[in-house]
Amino acid sequence: DGGITQSPKYLFRKEGQNVTLSCEQNLNHDAMYWYRQDPGQGLRLIYYSQIVNDFQKGDIAEGYSVSREKKESFPLTVTSAQKNPTAFYLCASSQGQGAGEQYFGPGTRLTVT
Amino acid sequence: AQSVTQPDIHITVSEGASLELRCNYSYGATPYLFWYVQSPGQGLQLLLKYFSGDTLVQGIKGFEAEFKRSQSSFNLRKPSVHWSDAAEYFCAVAHPETYKYIFGTGTRLKVLA
Repeated sequence: DGGITQSPKYLFRKEGQNVTLSCEQNLNHDAMYWYRQDPGQGLRLIYYSQIVNDFQKGDIAEGYSVSREKKESFPLTVTSAQKNPTAFYLCASSQGQGAGEQYFGPGTRLTVT
Repeated sequence: AQSVTQPDIHITVSEGASLELRCNYSYGATPYLFWYVQSPGQGLQLLLKYFSGDTLVQGIKGFEAEFKRSQSSFNLRKPSVHWSDAAEYFCAVAHPETYKYIFGTGTRLKVLA
């Protein structure tokens, strides 16, 4: 079945460590996205990528980094510079240019202590 | 500034009752409009979308939404709620020519047996 996978489901890290969240899609979608979700704040865009080897900052990119070396993969690194990294992270993808339906992965819950 | 407002943070309805979730947007032009549903700890699933044409759109699980340009609204409705509809609902907008989406803060629906 086509879809988006995120791993792991739960991730625990100590403060000061970088951590990378995985996102893979087999939908052959061009665009991929990373969102952060906190209670009562909806989804906030971290980074998005329209095409391989290209990506743009979203609204809250500080303390995060991404790469897009393959169409299927869009990993997100939460660096030690991110002041409040504990959150639920969602990856999504969409086909073609502009505003098509977004397909979401199941999410990764990151806890940093 | 572009924004999406979901004025109701929580809504409680009895099973079998009708439901309306409100969504208002502020955007330079008529955007594409979406409603997504999220079960606890899961990703988002698309319920329905409006791009153009008939302003009443039908979605999955018996949901519908009506686009009202004059009110900048895209309210979600269901005539008879089932216990399995308990979840969080997100309204989202996107410009047809960009890749960026704006999500509302969500409405959490509780269904009483």
